[in-house]
Amino acid sequence: EDKVVQSPLSLVVHEGDTVTLNCSYEVTNFRSLLWYKQEKKAPTFLFMLTSSGIEKKSGRLSSILDKKELFSILNITATQTGDSAVYLCAVLDNYGQNFVFGPGTRLSVLP
Amino acid sequence: DGGITQSPKYLFRKEGQNVTLSCEQNLNHDAMYWYRQDPGQGLRLIYYSQIVNDFQKGDIAEGYSVSREKKESFPLTVTSAQKNPTAFYLCASKSYPRQDTQYFGPGTRLTVL
Repeated sequence: EDKVVQSPLSLVVHEGDTVTLNCSYEVTNFRSLLWYKQEKKAPTFLFMLTSSGIEKKSGRLSSILDKKELFSILNITATQTGDSAVYLCAVLDNYGQNFVFGPGTRLSVLP
Repeated sequence: DGGITQSPKYLFRKEGQNVTLSCEQNLNHDAMYWYRQDPGQGLRLIYYSQIVNDFQKGDIAEGYSVSREKKESFPLTVTSAQKNPTAFYLCASKSYPRQDTQYFGPGTRLTVL
């Protein structure tokens, strides 16, 4: 059965800290890995990763995929209180149909 | 404005009643999805549909039903057979099979009294 595991499940930091969120997966036919940020309601898309070793970057956020070791990390540098959210990792299979979501990491950034 | 709309935002129902959650998209996406999210948990797939008049069960389809009569619409009915229906329900869509990015609606919070 396809599975996505995220760690830690919960994290509390202070503004200015750097955080690393982890996502590992077991998927029979991997196609892509996606990161989402969920604040109160709908998850919003952050990154999609398909190739190993290529870093995706957007401002203070960056992410990279390791297809050999079956994991991805999401880095946030110089955290701000607005980064407080649940960060979801999802994997899409090669048929392009079905997403498997991890449980999410709840990040709280204190002023 | 293109996007996905869900209604209502909040829904209360008594035990034993069926209730239908609406999901509409004007993104011209082929595939649509329904997820359930419980507090502190990730998203679990209820049903998905790749084309009109076709849909597939997800991991937790028991007690739910869907229809896909139009490309833009994918309503979810929570039946009285669903034992623990209180949850946050998210609808999503994507262009199948070309693109991998899924877009989400704002969600419906269902509370059973």
